[in-house]
Amino acid sequence: QITLKESGPTLVKPKQTLTLTCFFSGFSFTTRGVGVGWVRQPPGEAPEWLALIYWDDDKYYSSSLKSRLTITRDTSRNRVVLTMANMDPIDTGTYYCVHLSKRDHGDYYFDYWGQGTLVTVSS
Amino acid sequence: QSVLTQPPSVSGAPGQWVTISCTGSSSNIGAGYDVQWYQQFPGTAPKLLIFGNNNRPSGVPERFSGSKSGTSASLAITGLQAEDEADYYCQSYDRVSGNWVFGGGTKLTAL
Repeated sequence: QITLKESGPTLVKPKQTLTLTCFFSGFSFTTRGVGVGWVRQPPGEAPEWLALIYWDDDKYYSSSLKSRLTITRDTSRNRVVLTMANMDPIDTGTYYCVHLSKRDHGDYYFDYWGQGTLVTVSS
Repeated sequence: QSVLTQPPSVSGAPGQWVTISCTGSSSNIGAGYDVQWYQQFPGTAPKLLIFGNNNRPSGVPERFSGSKSGTSASLAITGLQAEDEADYYCQSYDRVSGNWVFGGGTKLTAL
């Protein structure tokens, strides 16, 4: 059974760096094809994809946020860390960790989601 | 505004058939990338409803189905139930931006 859980601060000040950790179980980065990503959702708005990392350490970032984002993985401890620099009040929202699966002869999709963690950016 | 366009709201009476559209472009849906659909209840994480345009994960009722044609996709719900009231989001990949993209979401109301 695949589970993911996000951990991090609930409140950050403007200009600070946000660090979120995703603890997961039920799969491993040693398995070819595995991917873990981050998606955020401002209050009352649609989800927005932020970043993802694959089993082979390939990393991808949202084109509009890539200068602020860093995603890393700790294979031995089954966790993925996302940092977002220079936080602003518009970055307030719920941040989700997601597991990616790939359809045969198709694309990746987000099949398991963590419960999410609400991050508020305010001074 | 979102790269994928959805109607803000749709409604239907219990038992009816309703559809939610998702319109993209030649750089995402029209380029052949898969479309996914997610269902979200207030205060909870989105849940995968349809993957790969028309595939249901285990446990998703058969009354939910997906289709794709050209630069658009649709989610259909047959025999609408009150418990289906939720927000629905489509999602695909955009090759111009290199982003996984979501639609703006559709709020489904059972009348």
